[in-house]
Amino acid sequence: DVKVTQSSRYLVKRTGEKVFLECVQDMDHENMFWYRQDPGLGLRLIYFSYDVKMKEKGDIPEGYSVSREKKERFSLILESASTNQTSMYLCASSLGGSLAYNEQFFGPGTRLTVL
Amino acid sequence: KQEVTQIPAALSVPEGENLVLNCSFTDSAIYNLQWFRQDPGKGLTSLLLIQSSQREQTSGRLNASLDKSSGRSTLYIAASQPGDSATYLCAVPSTDSWGKLQFGAGTQVVVTP
Repeated sequence: DVKVTQSSRYLVKRTGEKVFLECVQDMDHENMFWYRQDPGLGLRLIYFSYDVKMKEKGDIPEGYSVSREKKERFSLILESASTNQTSMYLCASSLGGSLAYNEQFFGPGTRLTVL
Repeated sequence: KQEVTQIPAALSVPEGENLVLNCSFTDSAIYNLQWFRQDPGKGLTSLLLIQSSQREQTSGRLNASLDKSSGRSTLYIAASQPGDSATYLCAVPSTDSWGKLQFGAGTQVVVTP
């Protein structure tokens, strides 16, 4: 079974703090994704990566950055957290090759609250 | 731009009834369609992936059909149980952004004992 894990289920941070969200997958997947999910807005893609050290912006990259130094790990960084970044953050991974054909597997999510 | 719609937004059925969940998409040039389940406050669990060349995909009590020409997929859950209560989302690869899944808003299902 594919396993995608996220470092925290719940996180509370203060405005202006630098926040790191970690995601690890154990199935040697090439592709990894970060989404955020908000009521009424659904899931929105923040960034994705199709290889180590490679990254692409999604729909809402502003205020975020990512890091992929190892294949199994994809980190989302909030450089200076703001209250409008309070959300559920979901990490996903998929096999590789043509992105269009690959099933995405999601982690359990991190509920981030910025005060 | 691909748009994905799920109607109804919410559904309540008594235990034992079959569930029928609908997903429609505007651009029929899809490579696949994926169905997910989400429990409150949790991540998404992949239920089924149906490729564009397939008409149906089955897993246990779940059966997903795909009709590309009409832009529709249906997820059937046989003999529903209270444990099936969750939000069900469908998603297709975006046609305008490589790597992105375009999600429907989901159907919230409640199965009453």
